[in-house]
Amino acid sequence: LAKTTQPISMDSYEGQEVNITCSHNNIATNDYITWYQQFPSQGPRFIIQGYKTKVTNEVASLFIPADRKSSTLSLPRVSLSDTAVYYCLVGLNQAGTALIFGKGTTLSVSS
Amino acid sequence: GAVVSQHPSWVICKSGTSVKIECRSLDFQATTMFWYRQFPKQSLMLMATSNEGSKATYEQGVEKDKFLINHASLTLSTLTVTSAHPEDSSFYICSARVGGLNTGELFFGEGSRLTVL
Repeated sequence: LAKTTQPISMDSYEGQEVNITCSHNNIATNDYITWYQQFPSQGPRFIIQGYKTKVTNEVASLFIPADRKSSTLSLPRVSLSDTAVYYCLVGLNQAGTALIFGKGTTLSVSS
Repeated sequence: GAVVSQHPSWVICKSGTSVKIECRSLDFQATTMFWYRQFPKQSLMLMATSNEGSKATYEQGVEKDKFLINHASLTLSTLTVTSAHPEDSSFYICSARVGGLNTGELFFGEGSRLTVL
C-alpha cells in the first residue's frame, strides 16, 4: 500500500503560486497520482492526475520527478476561493478496489 | 462531469434508531460505489466498496452488520446505519468511479451529515 505524506497546512496570499508536495516513497509501478480538493461540508472534487513528468490542466499543474517518489501540485495565482483541503491519492486499499485518502493539506489563502 | 447525488443532506435521529442514506449516480451507471466517513478536521475514511448485485466489501474495522449497504441497481446504493449511537455522528460521503481502478476519476456526492442524539 502506497502511503502518502503531505504538509498538514500551508498559508498563502491571493495572487501567489502555491506548491503542495506529496511524498509517496513506495509507489507501485501501476499507481497513478491523483489530487482532490475538498471544501467544508462538501464531497471532494477531482483536480488533476498524472503518472510521470508534468501534467497541466485549466486549474493546476502536477510535477512528478523521474523516481515518482513525490509529486507537487502547483496552483497558479491562488484566490480566496482556493482555501480548502487538498488530498494526494496514490495506490489502492488492501482489497484493491478503491483509492485511499491521506491526511491532506489545509491551504489557507488570505487577502 | 458525472453527477452523484446523496439524500438526505443532513439527518438528526435518536439513539437506537436506524437511518438510511441514498447515493445516486444521475447521468451514468455505476457498478461500483464507495462509502466514506469523515469526522471533523479529519480525512475521509473508506468504509466499504458497494458492488451492484453483490455483497459490499467492507474495510477492516467497519462493522458490516451495523452499516448495511445495498446496491440493487446501477444508479443507486444505500447505506443504512442501524441502531445508531452518538459515536456514529459523522459526515458520510459516497462516490462513484468513472474509468479504471488507477486512472479513473471519483465523483462524490454532496455528503450526508448524521447527528445522533
